[in-house]
Amino acid sequence: QKEVEQNSGPLSVPEGAIASLNCTYSDRGSQSFFWYRQYSGKSPELIMSIYSNGDKEDGRFTAQLNKASQYVSLLIRDSQPSDSATYLCAVNQAGTALIFGKGTTLSVSS
Amino acid sequence: GAGVSQSPSNKVTEKGKDVELRCDPISGHTALYWYRQSLGQGLEFLIYFQGNSAPDKSGLPSDRFSAERTGGSVSTLTIQRTQQEDSAVYLCASSLTGTGGRQPQHFGDGTRLSIL
Repeated sequence: QKEVEQNSGPLSVPEGAIASLNCTYSDRGSQSFFWYRQYSGKSPELIMSIYSNGDKEDGRFTAQLNKASQYVSLLIRDSQPSDSATYLCAVNQAGTALIFGKGTTLSVSS
Repeated sequence: GAGVSQSPSNKVTEKGKDVELRCDPISGHTALYWYRQSLGQGLEFLIYFQGNSAPDKSGLPSDRFSAERTGGSVSTLTIQRTQQEDSAVYLCASSLTGTGGRQPQHFGDGTRLSIL
């Protein structure tokens, strides 16, 4: 059974702080890793993708991948209230379906 | 269109009725996926299309669920004899290709299905 695990939260951080979201996956053959943001009542929106070990930065977002530890994380720097949402980790082994975690709810207080 | 388009946005129907959900993917995207998201649950994969073929139907929960795709574009998901446990948001996604897994999937706004 392929699984993707995330802490459900809520993760609460003050405005301007760094939010750290974590995800582990069970399938060592996984090749592609994605972070989606989902606002309440809305559909998932892709914010980051990462395929190789290490860090990938895009604006305030940094994705980190460690395949040996089967771990992927998302850092959000200078968190804003508008970042308050559920963040979904998704993993793809070799095409076709994404396996999603249940998401971590982030709350950024002003 | 610019993004994945789904219709209807909301559907309320009585138990036992059939429903059809429609998805129009991003132009040029050959891969199309259906997922569903129940309250408090994660996204659950249903079916994957590459062109008009469905090489992975492993997520369809029962034989009441079927899907087709025509012209390599629009897809319809049909649920026959609906049950209350079918109530969920049905999400469609598309990607440029389905092979290799590196192409990100882009989601439509979903159809919120409620079975009375």
